[in-house]
Amino acid sequence: ETGVTQSPTHLIKTRGQQVTLRCSSQSGHNTVSWYQQALGQGPQFIFQYYREEENGRGNFPPRFSGLQFPNYSSELNVNALELDDSALYLCASSLGRGGTRDTQYFGPGTRLTVL
Amino acid sequence: AQSVTQPDIHITVSEGASLELRCNYSYGATPYLFWYVQSPGQGLQLLLKYFSGDTLVQGIKGFEAEFKRSQSSFNLRKPSVHWSDAAEYFCVVMEYGNKLVFGAGTILRVKS
Repeated sequence: ETGVTQSPTHLIKTRGQQVTLRCSSQSGHNTVSWYQQALGQGPQFIFQYYREEENGRGNFPPRFSGLQFPNYSSELNVNALELDDSALYLCASSLGRGGTRDTQYFGPGTRLTVL
Repeated sequence: AQSVTQPDIHITVSEGASLELRCNYSYGATPYLFWYVQSPGQGLQLLLKYFSGDTLVQGIKGFEAEFKRSQSSFNLRKPSVHWSDAAEYFCVVMEYGNKLVFGAGTILRVKS
């Protein structure tokens, strides 16, 4: 059984650019959640996808968007990057039915630096 | 909004000593509670979870946590700390809808 994987590991972008981060769920999991972890803080919930539909969103602007694919892999897209978007982006997968509460398993994260 | 408070930002313990990391939560219904650990530059590893039942929960690496509803607490304990336990520890409450709310974290340093 493979765990949650994320790519790339590190990424450097400049202000105003766009970025796409990728996540492959743990085998058999149909729910993906994305979190942003700024330096020295706990992770903050961005949004969740269940069976290719957004299933909840945190307090993040619309320039943060996502996709989930039929194989349950996922992308996080951020447009018009700002300096404050520099953070570790974590993906977590779970075996859920959208509204249920199931354990989330995290990937290693993507470190995004915006210059 | 739900919240999690970890009052200790840093804790230093000697190797072999016991450890207790404090956590208080605010949640209206029966909480689903977790402890995750994060090594520097790494993702989050699940240590243990509480959904219901026995209030003393056993986890991996010799950790345990006790749920106390009357105190809204979910403290993490380990009887004997190893140098490899040095990391950041997060107490987490799950809201309905599978959203995780994290505490600010406690950084554990282990001195030899």
